[in-house]
Amino acid sequence: RKEVEQDPGPFNVPEGATVAFNCTYSNSASQSFFWYRQDCRKEPKLLMSVYSSGNEDGRFTAQLNRASQYISLLIRDSKLSDSATYLCVVTRSWGKLQFGAGTQVVVTP
Amino acid sequence: DVKVTQSSRYLVKRTGEKVFLECVQDMDHENMFWYRQDPGLGLRLIYFSYDVKMKEKGDIPEGYSVSREKKERFSLILESASTNQTSMYLCASSTRGETGGQETQYFGPGTRLLVL
Repeated sequence: RKEVEQDPGPFNVPEGATVAFNCTYSNSASQSFFWYRQDCRKEPKLLMSVYSSGNEDGRFTAQLNRASQYISLLIRDSKLSDSATYLCVVTRSWGKLQFGAGTQVVVTP
Repeated sequence: DVKVTQSSRYLVKRTGEKVFLECVQDMDHENMFWYRQDPGLGLRLIYFSYDVKMKEKGDIPEGYSVSREKKERFSLILESASTNQTSMYLCASSTRGETGGQETQYFGPGTRLLVL
């Protein structure tokens, strides 16, 4: 079993719609969780951290469910510029991160 | 603004050649990492370094070595390139946080290596 599993998609989303997707992780000792965004042929960049209480950053909402070991990302009012691959990331030890393979989102006009 | 640069964007090498990939960061970060990214597999950690002259194996170190002689520079070396090392190579750096390093990793633009 992979340490971090994501639905690869693609999720095809009309502009203005809402899209949500999850990722599951296997290491119950993981302490911190993140979503990174990777545009086509570009490097990954931090989108947001994920906290136990859930958190929002503009149109993006992230949730963590420790009991079921999954995190989620919801994008409201999707923009064309949201088209990207979203990487689920959990911490391992001493600064190391475990990346999922990514979920591709395609926002269509 | 954090800047991580990599020596080449695209590289074509022949099987058996020695390949050097260089990464430089300008934010005085303690931690540096080398990953490779392949379709469907995500980013896999090859090697990382907590400080100058320190290195630790990641998940897939076979066929690779690294060098960190200066804090800002972390080099990945393919001693004898093979076709299965064709991949996108990403370098990242992060500062050492109070909790031992759960800090944001900043990535370079990546090097697409093709081994023929």
